[in-house]
Amino acid sequence: KAGVTQTPRYLIKTRGQQVTLSCSPISGHRSVSWYQQTPGQGLQFLFEYFSETQRNKGNFPGRFSGRQFSNSRSEMNVSTLELGDSALYLCASHLMGTDTQYFGPGTRLTVL
Amino acid sequence: GIQVEQSPPDLILQEGANSTLRCNFSDSVNNLQWFHQNPWGQLINLFYIPSGTKQNGRLSATTVATERYSLLYISSSQTTDSGVYFCAVETTDSWGKLQFGAGTQVVVTP
Repeated sequence: KAGVTQTPRYLIKTRGQQVTLSCSPISGHRSVSWYQQTPGQGLQFLFEYFSETQRNKGNFPGRFSGRQFSNSRSEMNVSTLELGDSALYLCASHLMGTDTQYFGPGTRLTVL
Repeated sequence: GIQVEQSPPDLILQEGANSTLRCNFSDSVNNLQWFHQNPWGQLINLFYIPSGTKQNGRLSATTVATERYSLLYISSSQTTDSGVYFCAVETTDSWGKLQFGAGTQVVVTP
């Protein structure tokens, strides 16, 4: 079975721009969670989607948004980028609820 | 929210040594996972262990849910074991949300 894939792997943007990151879960997994990792704050939960519905959301500003498609693929969008948004963005897929989460390789975003 | 504390924050080992990493959590959990993050940032699943004991090669883990802690044992360490080890938990009211500890940075020297 193929693992979780994330695209793009690396991204460089400037302040004020917006960015869209993509995550394809493991086949058969219907749940996708997103996390942000920075040296200062560690790994923080952004949001979780199941069957195209956001079930849970972390403490991030409204500039961070996401969605999930009928094939379980998910995207997250960050608008009006700030320098502090530079981070490794990780997505994880799982079957449906409280079970093992499998992580993708991440997208490393640099905001200049 | 739930607090997750990992200790020690840093660990330097000589190849062949054994070590124990600890994870304390402040509330009941229904999911606990241990991960190894490699130098490229990939989080690799080691164990899904909300309770009990599991072993996988040179690694083993024990979670005592009633006392709110989990231990990860590394035996006969190798240089490839270097990296950051994370403990992450999920509570019953937090769909799909893993709360991570700050991690233990492990360096194994030849």
